[in-house]
Amino acid sequence: NAGVTQTPKFRILKIGQSMTLQCTQDMNHNYMYWYRQDPGMGLKLIYYSVGAGITDKGEVPNGYNVSRSTTEDFPLRLELAAPSQTSVYFCASRNIIMNTEAFFGQGTRLTVV
Amino acid sequence: AQSVTQLDSHVSVSEGTPVLLRCNYSSSYSPSLFWYVQHPNKGLQLLLKYTSAATLVKGINGFEAEFKKSETSFHLTKPSAHMSDAAEYFCVVSDQSDYKLSFGAGTTVTVRA
Repeated sequence: NAGVTQTPKFRILKIGQSMTLQCTQDMNHNYMYWYRQDPGMGLKLIYYSVGAGITDKGEVPNGYNVSRSTTEDFPLRLELAAPSQTSVYFCASRNIIMNTEAFFGQGTRLTVV
Repeated sequence: AQSVTQLDSHVSVSEGTPVLLRCNYSSSYSPSLFWYVQHPNKGLQLLLKYTSAATLVKGINGFEAEFKKSETSFHLTKPSAHMSDAAEYFCVVSDQSDYKLSFGAGTTVTVRA
């Protein structure tokens, strides 16, 4: 099993550009999450999903969109990149039925210039 | 909503001495609690988890934590620090209100030779 796979690992965007961060899990987990990590701030929840077709906002959703058309995939979309979105982004998945821990991808380091 | 407070932003220890990282949580339900470690420029690795079984939880690399409901605490300890323990540590809480994962701000551990 690959676990949680994020692409790309690194990206530099110009202000106003858009991009999609990809996240795929092969563990058939129902819950998936997107977090951003800024220095000294821990991880903040952007969006999460309880299953295919269902998404909800976290603490810091502004400037982002998500979709969950399948159990496996949970892409995060930035429509108009801003310098404040420079961060490291982590995707995670979890089996709530079994009450497992969250499994994290390796992260995407995004810089907006 | 659940929340976590990590009481120390930075802990410095000598190699071979005990490590104590303090975590207090808030939850209206029976919580699940986790400790994750992040080495520089790496992803998040699970150290240990509490999910309503034994209150003393043993994890990887000699770490353990004790769930104390009366004190709403989940402190992480290790009897003897190793140089490889230098990293960022996150305490995380989740509960059945929404199964979100709430992170503490993190504790940076430095190990002196």
